Amino acid sequence: NAGVMQNPRHLVRRRGQEARLRCSPMKGHSHVYWYRQLPEEGLKFMVYLQKENIIDESGMPKERFSAEFPKEGPSILRIQQVVRGDSAAYFCASSPLTGTSERQETQYFGPGTRLLVL
Amino acid sequence: DQQVKQNSPSLSVQEGRISILNCDYTNSMFDYFLWYKKYPAEGPTFLISISSIKDKNEDGRFTVFLNKSAKHLSLHIVPSQPGDSAVYFCAASAKSDSWGKLQFGAGTQVVVTP
Repeated sequence: NAGVMQNPRHLVRRRGQEARLRCSPMKGHSHVYWYRQLPEEGLKFMVYLQKENIIDESGMPKERFSAEFPKEGPSILRIQQVVRGDSAAYFCASSPLTGTSERQETQYFGPGTRLLVL
Repeated sequence: DQQVKQNSPSLSVQEGRISILNCDYTNSMFDYFLWYKKYPAEGPTFLISISSIKDKNEDGRFTVFLNKSAKHLSLHIVPSQPGDSAVYFCAASAKSDSWGKLQFGAGTQVVVTP
């Protein structure tokens, strides 16, 4: 059973270009989460999606960032008009559900996409 | 605002001894806590978790302790092994957030020396 897959693993963009990061969740998982890790910091929640629905985007910057998880295909995190401050590692995680009344469901992480903006 | 804090950026421990990693949180709504381990250029790997209804959970060499009144949790690794050298992240979530959002600390770099 393949784990969470992310591509590309490394992405270089010039300022003003668009970055598209893809995430394929583990088989059987219908919940996807995106996190960003800046250098020397912990992971910061960005967005939580189920198939065709954004459930929580409270960590997503209001401009230039968008995410989707279509009925078919991977989840996409899109960054328009990238700036140097967008340089970071972007991690996707997935779970079969978020949790029961008593416990969090474990989120399984992909290897990340390292975005470098020149 | 940083609601989950790991105040020790690094920890060095001898092989075979105990590693103790600490984590503090400020949000009283958190009711589930997790520890992840991360190697360079890889994604975080889940280690162990604990619900707020418990004060201890054990899995092999890993034990997590939760002190709700102090808003503090710790991870004990015993005995420490060279493969344990990694960055360890504490994370917390709230049922009120539908469990979806994990809030992470900044991490503690553990180095296990021979």
